[in-house]
Amino acid sequence: DTEVTQTPKHLVMGMTNKKSLKCEQHMGHRAMYWYKQKAKKPPELMFVYSYEKLSINESVPSRFSPECPNSSLLNLHLHALQPEDSALYLCASSHPIRPLRYFGPGTRLTVL
Amino acid sequence: SQQGEEDPQALSIQEGENATMNCSYKTSINNLQWYRQNSGRGLVHLILIRSNEREKHSGRLRVTLDTSKKSSSLLITASRAADTASYFCATLIIQGAQKLVFGQGTRLTINP
Repeated sequence: DTEVTQTPKHLVMGMTNKKSLKCEQHMGHRAMYWYKQKAKKPPELMFVYSYEKLSINESVPSRFSPECPNSSLLNLHLHALQPEDSALYLCASSHPIRPLRYFGPGTRLTVL
Repeated sequence: SQQGEEDPQALSIQEGENATMNCSYKTSINNLQWYRQNSGRGLVHLILIRSNEREKHSGRLRVTLDTSKKSSSLLITASRAADTASYFCATLIIQGAQKLVFGQGTRLTINP
């Protein structure tokens, strides 16, 4: 299984809502990543988990809260988002020291 | 800030023609990767070239790397409509964990 899955595919939320994005992989990868991508821009790294521990936080606002409950799952909890947070959120996984990343299809988030 | 710049930002060619995309990066690298992204979807790894390699082929793809100029190019030969996508180069930055940082990308359109 070389697939990274993400749910939901689309999410519309108000600024007062709390929601979560989910990511799952069964490739035995011990590094997982969240990226944010705005239209016509490259993906920007948000968080890196290595062996289920947060190793990089790219100064992401606290309204985004990542969680890695086990080696296969990665969550991104969302609270009090702003309209400018609307974007495609991509999850990826890899072996911790290998360069290739395997990306999920993304969650298209719209904040009203 | 992003690691690299790509040009052109957008490229439109006729089916069957060759497409060339260029990428420049800023820091020393061990390898450089190219990814493809179909509209609004996840990224797919295409090819990795190591810093001691000058050229690498994979099917209709040819990648070159010039470490003295900190630049790489991706050539797609005999383009097909299915090659329509955005193409990103990416390099690794070591900051504790490994950060994969993307160039600005080239949006390629293949016209039938």
